[in-house]
Amino acid sequence: DSGVTQTPKHLITATGQRVTLRCSPRSGDLSVYWYQQSLDQGLQFLIQYYNGEERAKGNILERFSAQQFPDLHSELNLSSLELGDSALYFCASSANVRNTEAFFGQGTRLTVV
Amino acid sequence: AQTVTQSQPEMSVQEAETVTLSCTYDTSENNYYLFWYKQPPSRQMILVIRQEAYKQQNATENRFSVNFQKAAKSFSLKISDSQLGDTAMYFCAFMKLSNSGGSNYKLTFGKGTLLTVNP
Repeated sequence: DSGVTQTPKHLITATGQRVTLRCSPRSGDLSVYWYQQSLDQGLQFLIQYYNGEERAKGNILERFSAQQFPDLHSELNLSSLELGDSALYFCASSANVRNTEAFFGQGTRLTVV
Repeated sequence: AQTVTQSQPEMSVQEAETVTLSCTYDTSENNYYLFWYKQPPSRQMILVIRQEAYKQQNATENRFSVNFQKAAKSFSLKISDSQLGDTAMYFCAFMKLSNSGGSNYKLTFGKGTLLTVNP
């Protein structure tokens, strides 16, 4: 168990819908990262939050947004869903100062039908 | 931008034997980390081993070791005494070390190598 909790584990939704994925980082970790794993693109970095603030953006679509709350949990919001958004979405967390180990959650499997 | 290449989509090895997974990367950075992550069928991403670029000594974790060739930008993973539980997708990953307060540590992943350990 990595200590990073993601909910839900599985999600099936229709095209055009909006979903929210939730991540609780390891206790004490201030950074949260979101990654998307798909057959086409592999594992891609989406976005990073550090102590409530956005710190880095990767290949995140405009239809997607994220936030990190005061209690450090994070949510990834995916809207106007398309079939191609079907993927495994991972959250990872790391501590603050020069931590070079990210701990991953078990991911949320999103299926858009 | 950094790129990570894993040229072997699939590999197989017999139980108890040794196997080496290849990884090359491209970067202009001098200060970075390299990682191998394992993703078993449970899909959990598990850190196997990491290497700091400024260290010449190759990292070792039990049956797992790396061959880090900085000039060649090569970072291979050797698994000794392979076990059935080693069957998984293995990802090589790169992380640039930020000089700006140390809070951006995104990972750039390769496409992965599916390793099957046969009994």
